[in-house]
Amino acid sequence: EAQVTQNPRYLITVTGKKLTVTCSQNMNHEYMSWYRQDPGLGLRQIYYSMNVEVTDKGDVPEGYKVSRKEKRNFPLILESPSPNQTSLYFCASSHRGGDEQYFGPGTRLTVT
Amino acid sequence: GQNIDQPTEMTATEGAIVQINCTYQTSGFNGLFWYQQHAGEAPTFLSYNVLDGLEEKGRFSSFLSRSKGYSYLLLKELQMKDSASYLCAGGGDYGQNFVFGPGTRLSVLP
Repeated sequence: EAQVTQNPRYLITVTGKKLTVTCSQNMNHEYMSWYRQDPGLGLRQIYYSMNVEVTDKGDVPEGYKVSRKEKRNFPLILESPSPNQTSLYFCASSHRGGDEQYFGPGTRLTVT
Repeated sequence: GQNIDQPTEMTATEGAIVQINCTYQTSGFNGLFWYQQHAGEAPTFLSYNVLDGLEEKGRFSSFLSRSKGYSYLLLKELQMKDSASYLCAGGGDYGQNFVFGPGTRLSVLP
């Protein structure tokens, strides 16, 4: 089944404790992207990647890192999480940049 | 970044037709997407307009006017399961600077 998977689905952590949210797609898509969704602010792009080893900042990249070492994986790294990073995170992929995106199920992160 | 505006909420009756509008700044977007998001779930793709005009897909149609920075999503024969948020979105040719509107929460009443 064609899909985008994210892990974990739920995470509660403390300020400053490094964490990684994994994202994987099995559709051989070139483009992958991370978004956060907050009430009243909608979905905002954090980082995107047009292909392996090609990543760029979106609208809200501060406090996040990404890497794209393999085509299928695009992990999101929070080196030192803070409470303002409490949010619902979505990973998405598309065949190429500019095509319709397929979203993962979301990761609900709480930073205390 | 780009600004996208949509009404926050709309209500309609089962079986009716509803039009959800979206306005955006005209520079920087290759085309315009519509996504549906049910509460607590991920967004799913509905439609994409890259040329001006109307695209019809079953009960859903989407319209784009690039010169006016205006799009709408038309939902016909509304069903209860259409209660969801509808997001318009756009970005550059290669998916750069991809921006979502705030979403319109549609409630379909019996």
